Amino acid sequence: QKEVEQNSGPLSVPEGAIASLNCTYSDRGSQSFFWYRQYSGKSPELIMFIYSNGDKEDGRFTAQLNKASQYVSLLIRDSQPSDSATYLCAVNAQGGKLIFGQGTELSVKP
Amino acid sequence: SAVISQKPSRDICQRGTSLTIQCQVDSQVTMMFWYRQQPGQSLTLIATANQGSEATYESGFVIDKFPISRPNLTFSTLTVSNMSPEDSSIYLCSDYRGAFFGQGTRLTVV
Repeated sequence: QKEVEQNSGPLSVPEGAIASLNCTYSDRGSQSFFWYRQYSGKSPELIMFIYSNGDKEDGRFTAQLNKASQYVSLLIRDSQPSDSATYLCAVNAQGGKLIFGQGTELSVKP
Repeated sequence: SAVISQKPSRDICQRGTSLTIQCQVDSQVTMMFWYRQQPGQSLTLIATANQGSEATYESGFVIDKFPISRPNLTFSTLTVSNMSPEDSSIYLCSDYRGAFFGQGTRLTVV
């Protein structure tokens, strides 16, 4: 089992819809969870992080964490074509390093 | 947010040669991380660079191939040695404190 798993996609949603991106992790000791957006040819850009169970909202983005289920998700409301990118989930591991999922490609259709 | 400067941004190198990538952070940090992103893949951690001690390498990565220096708390270098076409990737440095990345070095080995 991979340490951090994401659906590779592509996930296609119409403009204005809610995009839901999911991530599961294997290490129950993980404390910090990160979502990145990566445009083609660019380095990852941090969208948000979450430490506590529940929801964390930042503008159109909401991160949801359920430690009991070892599940973290990212919701993007009112999706825009500019949101089309690969979204990477990362989980902290021992020593402060981050373990990344394989990424989910999101395509928002006008 | 941290500002992380990485150079070169890209390079094309001959097989058998070495390339040193530099990473500068705008404030002092205890740990810096080096990642590799192969074409179409997610990020894989190469090593953790700690100031004042040897770098800690992940499984599959060795010091002879990827020597790392960390002379102070704001700077690190990664060398890709004796390069082969399989080393063609994007190399990224990161400061875990803020989970931010440099702009990456796109390496092509011919």
